[in-house]
Amino acid sequence: DAGITQSPRHKVTETGTPVTLRCHQTENHRYMYWYRQDPGHGLRLIHYSYGVKDTDKGEVSDGYSVSRSKTEDFLLTLESATSSQTSVYFCATASGLNEQFFGPGTRLTVL
Amino acid sequence: DQQVKQNSPSLSVQEGRISILNCDYTNSMFDYFLWYKKYPAEGPTFLISISSIKDKNEDGRFTVFLNKSAKHLSLHIVPSQPGDSAVYFCAASAQGGSEKLVFGKGTKLTVNP
Repeated sequence: DAGITQSPRHKVTETGTPVTLRCHQTENHRYMYWYRQDPGHGLRLIHYSYGVKDTDKGEVSDGYSVSRSKTEDFLLTLESATSSQTSVYFCATASGLNEQFFGPGTRLTVL
Repeated sequence: DQQVKQNSPSLSVQEGRISILNCDYTNSMFDYFLWYKKYPAEGPTFLISISSIKDKNEDGRFTVFLNKSAKHLSLHIVPSQPGDSAVYFCAASAQGGSEKLVFGKGTKLTVNP
């Protein structure tokens, strides 16, 4: 399994505050992804990266930004958190050839 | 517009019987399909995949069938075990690999002892 860690694993924050989630991988995979999982919606892509400093928007990117300054780290930032961003966030990585590997998830609650 | 559809939110089967999970897609450019399994409070884990050049792929108790003309794939689990109880996601890619995946909403499988 790819070594993927996410931090924090749980976070409770208030509406309007900035939040940054971190994904760290040890597999030197080129591609990294941020998804959110919500009941009735499955997994939806927020943003992804195809290399250092190369990122692109996914299906549900509004309200989120990302940065990738090193191969191993991919940060997801909510500039001003809203209650609609309460969700479970998953990071994933891929070499591009086969499957994506997922991290353990971060449960975010915005009050 | 949902490109990957899993129309059954849940499925319940008896231990030892066959579980069949279905997935339909609308994008004819999809050429690589994957199934992921997810337990509560964990990340999804890869289960099995199939390329569009095949119509069947087996891995132990798990078999995926692809019907390109119907834009339909199915995952068969035989025999089903209580440990198979999880949410199963179907995913598809249009680039021959996993570079960018589109996921279905998932089917929750419950295998009863």
